[in-house]
Amino acid sequence: DAGITQSPRYKITETGRQVTLMCHQTWSHSYMFWYRQDLGHGLRLIYYSAAADITDKGEVPDGYVVSRSKTENFPLTLESATRSQTSVYFCASSEQQGGTQYFGPGTRLLVL
Amino acid sequence: GDSVTQMEGPVTLSEEAFLTINCTYTATGYPSLFWYVQYPGEGLQLLLKATKADDKGSNKGFEATYRKETTSFHLEKGSVQVSDSAVYFCALTISQGAQKLVFGQGTRLTINP
Repeated sequence: DAGITQSPRYKITETGRQVTLMCHQTWSHSYMFWYRQDLGHGLRLIYYSAAADITDKGEVPDGYVVSRSKTENFPLTLESATRSQTSVYFCASSEQQGGTQYFGPGTRLLVL
Repeated sequence: GDSVTQMEGPVTLSEEAFLTINCTYTATGYPSLFWYVQYPGEGLQLLLKATKADDKGSNKGFEATYRKETTSFHLEKGSVQVSDSAVYFCALTISQGAQKLVFGQGTRLTINP
């Protein structure tokens, strides 16, 4: 089914472990985004990408790494997970600058 | 910096009641304004948007008007249904760069039958 998917949907990990959250879109959208959702903060941008091999930091990038070797994939890696990274993570994509952003279903991450 | 402030929730209404969720913004430049909705267990969906002053966005009976003079984009619906229960987010983007969305904190709406 076409659209934007995220995996895993739920993840439990331990402090200090590396975790990678996957995001895949089938529309060939140029722009992709990673947000985290926390109570009282709404959604905050972690990283975004304007095209393959072009990425840039958002509002809260510390502790995260991204890559974009292919247009359709935009993985987010927590290099050494911390409890403060417990959150719900949403990936989004848009076709063009200023276009509507389409969100994936989210990944709920718990860091123990 | 750019920011969005929404009325605090949660908001609980009876079916067929009138809904208003307040949203005000601070931005440099000329933002586009959005309302997104998040149903339980799902990602966000665009509900409506407005790209310039005095524009009215509308969808599924919801409306919001871009008011530059009051820097507001309040969400309204004349008669809510149980199926409208969700979290609503107001957001903006500035017409520069990658069109990053800046979100308000969200307002949880519960409609009772």
